[in-house]
Amino acid sequence: GENVEQHPSTLSVQEGDSAVIKCTYSDSASNYFPWYKQELGKRPQLIIDIRSNVGEKKDQRIAVTLNKTAKHFSLHITETQPEDSAVYFCAGGSNYKLTFGKGTLLTVNP
Amino acid sequence: NAGVTQTPKFQVLKTGQSMTLQCAQDMNHEYMSWYRQDPGMGLRLIHYSVGAGITDQGEVPNGYNVSRSTTEDFPLRLLSAAPSQTSVYFCASRLTGGGYTFGSGTRLTVV
Repeated sequence: GENVEQHPSTLSVQEGDSAVIKCTYSDSASNYFPWYKQELGKRPQLIIDIRSNVGEKKDQRIAVTLNKTAKHFSLHITETQPEDSAVYFCAGGSNYKLTFGKGTLLTVNP
Repeated sequence: NAGVTQTPKFQVLKTGQSMTLQCAQDMNHEYMSWYRQDPGMGLRLIHYSVGAGITDQGEVPNGYNVSRSTTEDFPLRLLSAAPSQTSVYFCASRLTGGGYTFGSGTRLTVV
């Protein structure tokens, strides 16, 4: 089955800096790669996703890149704000079956 | 739309008891899944369904059963609760081409 690894497990940045979280996957058949943000005690919420036929996608301060050859994808957050502090999860798989990484705790210091 | 509704929000069970976690969605989504979340482990897939009458096992299915008699409902049954099943359980649903929408979760403690 699919195996998704996520790094780093914790990330601390200063407000206004950029943050990058990286994930690798093992199954070359995986074609869908979403990113979720989870605040303490809340449900995961989709922030951006990318499909295997696209190399990059951007939504305001958030962007995701995908390298199918190397089987890795990354989340980039620019101009970070304190409200970006949360746990971020990457995932990989298909329409109906997603495997999640173990998460990255992002702390944005004012 | 109410989205994905999970009940109960909290539950304490004794070892060996059984119970059903309820999940319902009103978005006519085809795909539904159950995940458990444990500290440092991310979200692990228990069971999933690609439509009414069709279910399959995920990464950690042992000790759990599911059924999907309607598009809207996808209950998760714990057959004989064990302390290792103490976790937060999330139900999620999605349409083809869309992202998963998660329910608010059920925090289960087995003593």
